[in-house]
Amino acid sequence: QLQLQESGPGLVKPSETLSLTCTVSDGSITSTSYYWGWIRQPPGKGLEWIGTIYYTGNTYYNPSLKSRVTISVDTSKNQFSLKLTSVTAADTAVFHCGRFANGYYYMDVWGKGTTVTVSS
Amino acid sequence: SALTQEASVSGTVGQKVTLSCTGHTNNVGSLPVGWYQQISHGAPKAVMFGDSLPSGIPDRFSGSKSGTTASLTISGLQPEDEADYYCSTWDYSLNVVVFGGGTKLTVL
Repeated sequence: QLQLQESGPGLVKPSETLSLTCTVSDGSITSTSYYWGWIRQPPGKGLEWIGTIYYTGNTYYNPSLKSRVTISVDTSKNQFSLKLTSVTAADTAVFHCGRFANGYYYMDVWGKGTTVTVSS
Repeated sequence: SALTQEASVSGTVGQKVTLSCTGHTNNVGSLPVGWYQQISHGAPKAVMFGDSLPSGIPDRFSGSKSGTTASLTISGLQPEDEADYYCSTWDYSLNVVVFGGGTKLTVL
C-alpha cells in the first residue's frame, strides 16, 4: 500500500527557507498515472494547496505562493521536495505531501503531515 | 474560501445527511469535486471524487453535483463519521486548487 512520509525541520526562522522532503514507499514516483505535491493547513484553519509536480518535472503552483515556492522531484530516490523561501509566521502550518490522481488537483493519498513552526 | 460549505451539520446514528459545496462555473460547475474527511485534526483522507468512491470507503458515502453545487451524502450515519469535511476542485479562472472552508459533522 502506497505510503508517503514527510521529513524536515520543525522550526524555521523568519526570512529563512523552509525545506521538506516527501519519501514515497510501496509505489513508484515515475508512475505515469499520478502527480505529487503539497497541501498545508495553518493551525485552526482550512486546507491550502501549495503545488503539484509530475515525475518529468512539470510543475503547477498556487499563484499566491508561486514567487516563493519550488517543488522538485528526485526519481532516483523516489522522493520529491518543497522549498518555501522568505517564510513568516503566517507560513506556520502542518504540511502534507501526497499523491494526486485524476489530474493534478485531487490528492487521493495523503502523508501524515509534519508541523513546521516559523519563529525566531 | 472560494467554495462555500456549511459550517456545521449534525445528525443521529442511522440518519442520512447531505453536505453541500457551492462554487461557480469556473470551478465546481466544470470539474469533479473531491471530498476529504479529517478526523480530530489528523491527516485528511479522500472519501469521494465526483461520484466515484475510493477503495476502502464505505458505500454509505455518495457524491453528486447539480450545476455549481456538489454534494456529499452519508446514508446511515455512523459515529465514526464525525469529522471535518472539505470539498475541493480546480478553478479554471484562478488556475489554482480551491477548497471550501470545511463542514464540521457531528453525530449526535
